[in-house]
Amino acid sequence: DIQMTQSPSSVSASVGDRVTITCRASQGISSWLAWYQQKPGKAPKLLIYAASSLQSGVPSRFRGSGSGTDFTLTINSLQPEDFATYYCQQANSLPLTFGGGTKVEIK
Amino acid sequence: QLQLQESGPGLVKPSETLSLTCIVSGGSISSSSYYWGWIRQPPGKGLEWIGSIYYSGRTYYNPSLKSRVTISVDTSKKQFSLKLSSVTAADTAVHYCARSPLGSWYIDYWGQGTLVTVSS
Repeated sequence: DIQMTQSPSSVSASVGDRVTITCRASQGISSWLAWYQQKPGKAPKLLIYAASSLQSGVPSRFRGSGSGTDFTLTINSLQPEDFATYYCQQANSLPLTFGGGTKVEIK
Repeated sequence: QLQLQESGPGLVKPSETLSLTCIVSGGSISSSSYYWGWIRQPPGKGLEWIGSIYYSGRTYYNPSLKSRVTISVDTSKKQFSLKLSSVTAADTAVHYCARSPLGSWYIDYWGQGTLVTVSS
């Protein structure tokens, strides 16, 4: 199985800040990576696929980058609705695996 | 707008079988363009892919659960189902049904999730 490691596990930030979350795969996955946002009591929501493609309807302040083993999700100008937990997921091979999550909290 | 809705018992006894169904509306479960799957999330923890199925019935399972999992599809009823046998407390989780576009394995639609607790 491909292991996905996210860091940090939590980050405190203020509205308007830029937040960067990293995800590392235990082996190369090309660009087969997705990012999801999950709010308490809700299902995850797809933000980014193919490492850098923005899902329809997702604000452009979300940006994904990277390839191979190292990936980044950047949230520019953090908004109140962005406080949530973010997960990466590799889609290169089965079984699908997720990172442990990064909780973005209000500072 | 596609909607996925999970249904099934919220409480299952240890050693018994967990059974859930996902009803698909607003889209075709018979489409050749998608996989349909299950993901679970223990309370306060991360996400685990359980497995997926294609409309033809071809299945893909997580090896860690494969010996206990069966996923099936009933296109006439527009639903697919999950059975997990010999459950223990470690199987307590919110279970989500979901859709992945063919050839990508991203998850673009999720059900709202249903909590299944394993307890006597």
